[in-house]
Amino acid sequence: EVQLVESGGGLVQPGRSLRLSCTASGFSFGDYTVTWVRQAPGKGLEWVGIIRSKTYSGTTEYAASVKGRFSISRDDSRSIAYLQMNSLKTEDTAVYYCTRGRREPDYWGQGTLVTVSS
Amino acid sequence: DVVMTQSPLSLPVILGQPASISCRSSQSLVYSDGNTYLNWFHQRPGQSPRRLIYKVSNRDSGVPDRFSGSGSGTDFTLKISRVEAEDVGVYYCMQGTHWPGAFGQGTKVEIK
Repeated sequence: EVQLVESGGGLVQPGRSLRLSCTASGFSFGDYTVTWVRQAPGKGLEWVGIIRSKTYSGTTEYAASVKGRFSISRDDSRSIAYLQMNSLKTEDTAVYYCTRGRREPDYWGQGTLVTVSS
Repeated sequence: DVVMTQSPLSLPVILGQPASISCRSSQSLVYSDGNTYLNWFHQRPGQSPRRLIYKVSNRDSGVPDRFSGSGSGTDFTLKISRVEAEDVGVYYCMQGTHWPGAFGQGTKVEIK
């Protein structure tokens, strides 16, 4: 069974950092692009960024709203993707989801809530 | 960036009646490989989004056949032939053709 489990969310002050993890199971993790999507409370879905598989050089792309502050990495040996979030702002408050795939994300995790507040 | 526009944003429906959601993109979603990467998701309160439809009209495994997707280029539609109580929630279209991917604003379906 394909599963994605996010972790690492919590309450953090503006300007601080947080790292989220996405632990995958049930499929060959290294063969897939991982996408991070977020959803602010009561709002819609927003693309955050992607990390491609090693087949495609493991390159990353980011939404303009997080570029330069967020970075995505992966450890295929452990089937984990990471979202490193620096210089957090109050507007980054959201549930963060990881998904499998980029053009047709099929499986999603349950999400982890990040609250940025003083 | 591609902008996805859904309508309506709120859709009260009667159980057993059909429902339809429109999604328009600001650019053609036909990719260089000939595919059109237009997806539909359903999100119930407190849950993660669940993909229903990919590449415009392909239903995911386990998705009831009362759900259908259609369209081409920039205009797409999700139809529910007979709405059931479990269909309430928010529906999102999403394009994966262009970077960055983009979601529509969401259409909230509720029982009238």
